[in-house]
Amino acid sequence: QVQLQESGPGLVKPSETLSLTCTVSGGSVSSSSYYWSWIRQPPGKGLEWIGYVYYSGSTNYNPSLKSRLTISVDTSKNQFSLKLTSVNAADTAVYFCGRRECSGGSCYEGHWGQGTVVIVSS
Amino acid sequence: QSVLTQPPSASGTPGQRVTISCSGSRSNIGGHPVNWYQQLPGAGPKLLIYNDNQRPSGVPDRFSGSKSGTSASLAISGLQSEDEADYYCVAWDDSLNCPVFGGGTKLTVL
Repeated sequence: QVQLQESGPGLVKPSETLSLTCTVSGGSVSSSSYYWSWIRQPPGKGLEWIGYVYYSGSTNYNPSLKSRLTISVDTSKNQFSLKLTSVNAADTAVYFCGRRECSGGSCYEGHWGQGTVVIVSS
Repeated sequence: QSVLTQPPSASGTPGQRVTISCSGSRSNIGGHPVNWYQQLPGAGPKLLIYNDNQRPSGVPDRFSGSKSGTSASLAISGLQSEDEADYYCVAWDDSLNCPVFGGGTKLTVL
């Protein structure tokens, strides 16, 4: 059973860069069968899709975040990462990493991490 | 404002059947499969339905999904207290070239 665990600073100052890592166990980020995703949830609000990365390094980003966002994969560490630059208070959220798979014409995240809280504040 | 529209709240009594709607357009629900997630308080999302109406292993058959045109629905029959959670629909959107979520529906079991 694959497990995903988010890690990173819980507090980031405005205008700085938010960096998170997702460590995968019970599965390999090098697998060609999956994509590796990030979503977030601001306090008291709904889910927002951030983006995903494939083992090859190809990515797909939410257009609203694309100019500030980089998602990358490190196959040697079996991890993938998120970097969001120039953060502001609106980036305060719980961030979740997940594994995306495609089957029978449908793609979905069947597994998510437990989430990590990131607060943007000086 | 979310691309997919869900009612903010729904409720039912134990044993009842409730449905949650998700409305979109031809660029998302009208042309792509819909998935549904359950989010219990303080937890991450759990996949309930994928490909409009498929249940992952371990999801009770009390949960079912359907789609017609540019709208989808999640039905929960035999409502139980542990079903009290937030429910989200999601589908790929051709205009944005990424998945889009509904705003979520908070289900209360009375």
